[in-house]
Amino acid sequence: DAGVTQSPTHLIKTRGQQVTLRCSPKSGHDTVSWYQQALGQGPQFIFQYYEEEERQRGNFPDRFSGHQFPNYSSELNVNALLLGDSALYLCASSTLDRVGGGKLFFGSGTQLSVL
Amino acid sequence: AQTVTQSQPEMSVQEAETVTLSCTYDTSESDYYLFWYKQPPSRQMILVIRQEAYKQQNATENRFSVNFQKAAKSFSLKISDSQLGDAAMYFCAYRSALHSGGGADGLTFGKGTHLIIQP
Repeated sequence: DAGVTQSPTHLIKTRGQQVTLRCSPKSGHDTVSWYQQALGQGPQFIFQYYEEEERQRGNFPDRFSGHQFPNYSSELNVNALLLGDSALYLCASSTLDRVGGGKLFFGSGTQLSVL
Repeated sequence: AQTVTQSQPEMSVQEAETVTLSCTYDTSESDYYLFWYKQPPSRQMILVIRQEAYKQQNATENRFSVNFQKAAKSFSLKISDSQLGDAAMYFCAYRSALHSGGGADGLTFGKGTHLIIQP
């Protein structure tokens, strides 16, 4: 059973460009969350998608947008890249857990470098 | 807004010994979840242990246990019989229960503690 897969693993862009990162959730999962992890920091929540809609959003500007497809896979788009956007971008999947505190499964991330 | 603080940037322990990683958090909520995640060099975050705030009993998973002090807003992780494979970054994380019933919402992470295991 494949876990959470992310592509690409590494990416280099220049300031002002746009980037798209991709995530396939673990089999059976319907919810995808995205996190940004700057060097030496803990991950920061960007947003979460369920049923193809953004369900919750962290404190990130509108330059960060996303999409979820009918097969539950997801994309993270970042426009007008800044040097400060350089980070590891982690995708996590889960099920809509009525109990709460649901377990997240993380991918290995996409390392984005903005030059 | 909730905050999570890990005051130990790095900890070192001898193999087979016990180590405790500290975490404090700040919240005005009474119902929430706390987590410890491990991030090895592969970068994949792995859940180590989870605690529901409404449960007084401390969570335990094999060699990993927590000391949850709700009044003090403290949530430490104890690793017993440390093994070389335990070497990693460890992150403490908080999740509000306000959105319970709707998936695992956004986690708030601390900055992490780098755990070194000395052979």
